[in-house]
Amino acid sequence: SQQGEEDPQALSIQEGENATMNCSYKTSINNLQWYRQNSGRGLVHLILIRSNEREKHSGRLRVTLDTSKKSSSLLITASRAADTASYFCATAGNTGGFKTIFGAGTRLFVKA
Amino acid sequence: DAGVIQSPRHEVTEMGQEVTLRCKPISGHDYLFWYRQTMMRGLELLIYFNNNVPIDDSGMPEDRFSAKMPNASFSTLKIQPSEPRDSAVYFCASSLGDRLTDTQYFGPGTRLTVL
Repeated sequence: SQQGEEDPQALSIQEGENATMNCSYKTSINNLQWYRQNSGRGLVHLILIRSNEREKHSGRLRVTLDTSKKSSSLLITASRAADTASYFCATAGNTGGFKTIFGAGTRLFVKA
Repeated sequence: DAGVIQSPRHEVTEMGQEVTLRCKPISGHDYLFWYRQTMMRGLELLIYFNNNVPIDDSGMPEDRFSAKMPNASFSTLKIQPSEPRDSAVYFCASSLGDRLTDTQYFGPGTRLTVL
């Protein structure tokens, strides 16, 4: 399975601090994506990084990808209470089929 | 665009009853996905369609589950008969299907409770 596994499972920080979440996966990938899920809602796409990229930025988000270690990290800088949500990494393989596999997620709680 | 639309948003039913969940994907998207989310198992892909054709249903848990996509703007997920262990949030998602982007757009989900 190429399922991503997030670490930590839960994270609690103060508003203004940075939050770092990690994702590991098992097989070769085309790309890796991060999604956010607010309580009671569907997942929302945040950012995609391709297998030939090492780092990508989008606003307060920074994603890194290390294909040699099969791992990725999501950094949220200057966190806000509104960032409280679950964050999932999702991997899309480069072998046959069209499955994006989601990890178990990291629950982030940002205290105001 | 209104995004992916799912109905109903909440469904409470009794064991043994038939349940039908509905999804309208984003117009122009070629792929449609059905997921199930529980605390124990996380987010599981049940089945996905490409141009209305089921491509992979290996995630469908049992014969009690079936999914159809009669046209590009509508899909259903049916559970018959339903069981308490089917209680979960069911999400529908759609995407353009470009393998380089693969961004999926999720609906708000249907929270199913089987008593």
